[in-house]
Amino acid sequence: GQNIDQPTEMTATEGAIVQINCTYQTSGFNGLFWYQQHAGEAPTFLSYNVLDGLEEKGRFSSFLSRSKGYSYLLLKELQMKDSASYLCAAPNNAGNMLTFGGGTRLMVKP
Amino acid sequence: DVKVTQSSRYLVKRTGEKVFLECVQDMDHENMFWYRQDPGLGLRLIYFSYDVKMKEKGDIPEGYSVSREKKERFSLILESASTNQTSMYLCASSLDPIYNSPLHFGNGTRLTVT
Repeated sequence: GQNIDQPTEMTATEGAIVQINCTYQTSGFNGLFWYQQHAGEAPTFLSYNVLDGLEEKGRFSSFLSRSKGYSYLLLKELQMKDSASYLCAAPNNAGNMLTFGGGTRLMVKP
Repeated sequence: DVKVTQSSRYLVKRTGEKVFLECVQDMDHENMFWYRQDPGLGLRLIYFSYDVKMKEKGDIPEGYSVSREKKERFSLILESASTNQTSMYLCASSLDPIYNSPLHFGNGTRLTVT
C-alpha cells in the first residue's frame, strides 16, 4: 500500500502561521486530500490538490509537488478552534481507495 | 449537505458476539467505505463498495464482512467480535471517481468488545 508520512504532533501559538507537511509515494493518481478532525468528531474535507502549486482558501492553503510526492497545509492567523488533527490522504496506485496518513495533532496555545 | 448517518454512537459487545454496524447516506453516492481509527495507526480501510452488491477488500478486512443490498446502506459485520476489534468505526461515502472525490464521513461508532 501507500506510505504516507506526516508529523505526529505540532504546537503553535494563536495568531501565528503553521505548516503541516505530508510526504507520500508517487503513483498514477497524483492528487492529495487534506481533512480536519476535531477530537471526538468525524473528519471533514478541507482541500484537494491535483496540480502542482499552492491553492488558497481563506486562512488555509494547500501546496502540492507531484514530482516530489510532497504536500503541505498552511494555516494562517491561527485560532484556538484550529486545534485538531489534520489528515492527509492519497489515492492508491489503482485509484480505487484512499490511504490516510496517521494524522498530525495540532495544538494551538494562547 | 451530504448526510452520512451511523446507527449507534457507542456500542458495547461481548467477545464472540455477532455485531452489525449500520450506515446510511442520503446523497445517492456510488461509493461507500468502512474505516477504523486507532490511536497511532490513523484511519485504515476495512472494506469499500462501489455499487449495490459489490464489495472490495481494503487494507485490513480480516474478521469483517460487509453487505450492500441498497445503494444508500452499507453494513459492517463482525462475525465473532474480539477484543482487538475495539475501535472507532467510521463510515464514509463519495461520488465517482474515488481518486478525486471528497469523502463524507459519519460521526463514528465507538465499539468496545469486552
